Amino acid sequence: DTGVSQDPRHKITKRGQNVTFRCDPISEHNRLYWYRQTLGQGPEFLTYFQNEAQLEKSRLLSDRFSAERPKGSFSTLEIQRTEQGDSAMYLCASSFDSFNEQFFGPGTRLTVL
Amino acid sequence: GDSVTQMEGPVTLSEEAFLTINCTYTATGYPSLFWYVQYPGEGLQLLLKATKADDKGSNKGFEATYRKETTSFHLEKGSVQVSDSAVYFCALSDQAGTALIFGKGTTLSVSS
Repeated sequence: DTGVSQDPRHKITKRGQNVTFRCDPISEHNRLYWYRQTLGQGPEFLTYFQNEAQLEKSRLLSDRFSAERPKGSFSTLEIQRTEQGDSAMYLCASSFDSFNEQFFGPGTRLTVL
Repeated sequence: GDSVTQMEGPVTLSEEAFLTINCTYTATGYPSLFWYVQYPGEGLQLLLKATKADDKGSNKGFEATYRKETTSFHLEKGSVQVSDSAVYFCALSDQAGTALIFGKGTTLSVSS
């Protein structure tokens, strides 16, 4: 296993379009996290899953953001009706249970024109 | 709410110099504390961690001590190398052990 992977690595879209990002965690990890990182800032927590259950989503930035992890393996993060302010790096991480190290993927860089 | 404040960069050092990057935190309870590093073109990697007061985390010559009395977790290295050039993030875990709360990051540039 080579770690957490994310696809695509870069996405350029026009304002108003929908985008979807995929994250494949380390296979034995039951927890999966999404973060957003804007320029000059540290990552900001968005949501997380324990297996297929989304246990925290109050920190998703707006109702345009949604995430799924349908079979407790890979996860998708969707942003509907993108805005220029959504331009950022979207990071995925995984871990085995809580209080354990979170392993981060390389991120998906979104640019909204 | 919980937060992390770390010194602003960039920090520019010559090889073999001593490094300190300051980090202080505000949190309820007793969070775990972390330093993550992001090398150019790579993802975030855990550098070291400490889970309770007075614990010292160490890795690759870096170390940091969990100081509850000063709510600090400063990162130190006695002799930096060019390969240490990266962005360093201080972070804490929330009480549930789920969300990580990060500082803004400190860019370190080491020249030979």
